Amino acid sequence: DQQVKQNSPSLSVQEGRISILNCDYTNSMFDYFLWYKKYPAEGPTFLISISSIKDKNEDGRFTVFLNKSAKHLSLHIVPSQPGDSAVYFCAAKKVGSGNTGKLIFGQGTTLQVKP
Amino acid sequence: NAGVTQTPKFRVLKTGQSMTLLCAQDMNHEYMYWYRQDPGMGLRLIHYSVGEGTTAKGEVPDGYNVSRLKKQNFLLGLESAAPSQTSVYFCASSYSTRFPSGANVLTFGAGSRLTVL
Repeated sequence: DQQVKQNSPSLSVQEGRISILNCDYTNSMFDYFLWYKKYPAEGPTFLISISSIKDKNEDGRFTVFLNKSAKHLSLHIVPSQPGDSAVYFCAAKKVGSGNTGKLIFGQGTTLQVKP
Repeated sequence: NAGVTQTPKFRVLKTGQSMTLLCAQDMNHEYMYWYRQDPGMGLRLIHYSVGEGTTAKGEVPDGYNVSRLKKQNFLLGLESAAPSQTSVYFCASSYSTRFPSGANVLTFGAGSRLTVL
């Protein structure tokens, strides 16, 4: 039972264009969402997050949008750069789990940004 | 600053053997976690700890044991390894805060690749 789903295993975009990575969730009890980025042979690193009381959060080239009614969030990268090529994981936290990092992760989407 | 260090990075085991994965963090974080990553499954939480001397089960705890005798270390043990435990294991840590923007921002180690034959 995959509660957080990233249905696109891979995405390829041209340098300078927008990258849009999507994530769907099934559990309405999630109240906090995060994106992590992972390079080969390294651990994931935190990228950006959003609370369920917001619908948008922006940090430089990265923006996360949350549509609670559709149980959908997306990560926009503008403009995309070759160094953004990595695996991106969507993650969610349940209400009542406390602030303990007990995250539910999606399967990941591999982004390739071509020069 | 080392952050989160995992040892070993690679290990091959035979079915039924036991081993321990070591995780050390130098950030004085209260919380520590063990996740496993499998193709098509993302990362799944095995066990976690909210402080020295405490441990709790995560999403997929069966077949694993953990210990947190010191704040900076979190050990993951496999008593009798099975091929289903072939995976990449990630240790992570985070600090204690009432804000989700803090505790859920995990610092991960580089991973330990385990193969069980």
